[in-house]
Amino acid sequence: SYELTQPPSVSVSPGQTARITCSGDALPKKYAYWYQQKSGQAPVLVIYEDSKRPSGIPERFSGSSSGTMATLTISGAQVEDEADYYCYSTDSSGNHSGVFGGGTKLTVL
Amino acid sequence: QVQLQESGPGLVKPSQTLSLTCTVSGGSISSGSYYWSWIRQPAGKGLEWIGRIYTSGSTNYNPSLKSRVTISVDTSKNQFSLKLSSVTAADTAVYYCARGWTDDYALHGMDVWGQGTTVTVSS
Repeated sequence: SYELTQPPSVSVSPGQTARITCSGDALPKKYAYWYQQKSGQAPVLVIYEDSKRPSGIPERFSGSSSGTMATLTISGAQVEDEADYYCYSTDSSGNHSGVFGGGTKLTVL
Repeated sequence: QVQLQESGPGLVKPSQTLSLTCTVSGGSISSGSYYWSWIRQPAGKGLEWIGRIYTSGSTNYNPSLKSRVTISVDTSKNQFSLKLSSVTAADTAVYYCARGWTDDYALHGMDVWGQGTTVTVSS
């Protein structure tokens, strides 16, 4: 089955740039989406179609994709950005299955 | 503004069928190029995509759950539902419903989520 791979954890100091990667064989053909999940809350969409930001999401959140890797970048990370981040995409096998990466715990301290 | 709310039993016995409903408010479940999904998350673990239903009624399921999952829609009630049969303790999780969107170019992700409901499988 199709898999998306993320690092388990990323740690930065406030004001630094955090980068979270997501690798998957179908990413050259399929969009990546990024979700932020704070403790005890439902996930929130922060990036869609690789690099677009929904309204209400701070400009410090950006996304990019090249080849088999998508990247979420948080420029000038804030303490309130500490959360779990998940990438999401679909497989290219024709099953149209959705798949989430394993998640990355971002620590900002 | 569309909102989603999950409902259903919080406790299910092993081998029985888990049944959840997601009620859509603030918009019609039949309008627009949307689909409706279920996602779950065991305590302390990551998100797992369960499946989706389109406004046409067609469905896609996670291959690992396909034999046990049924997603259906009731447009008259503006609701869609999840049934997961033959549950075990491994199905204990927070279950989320969510809205996704499609266009001529792609099957996109989910932009609106419910708050989630906890389901425990135990005798």
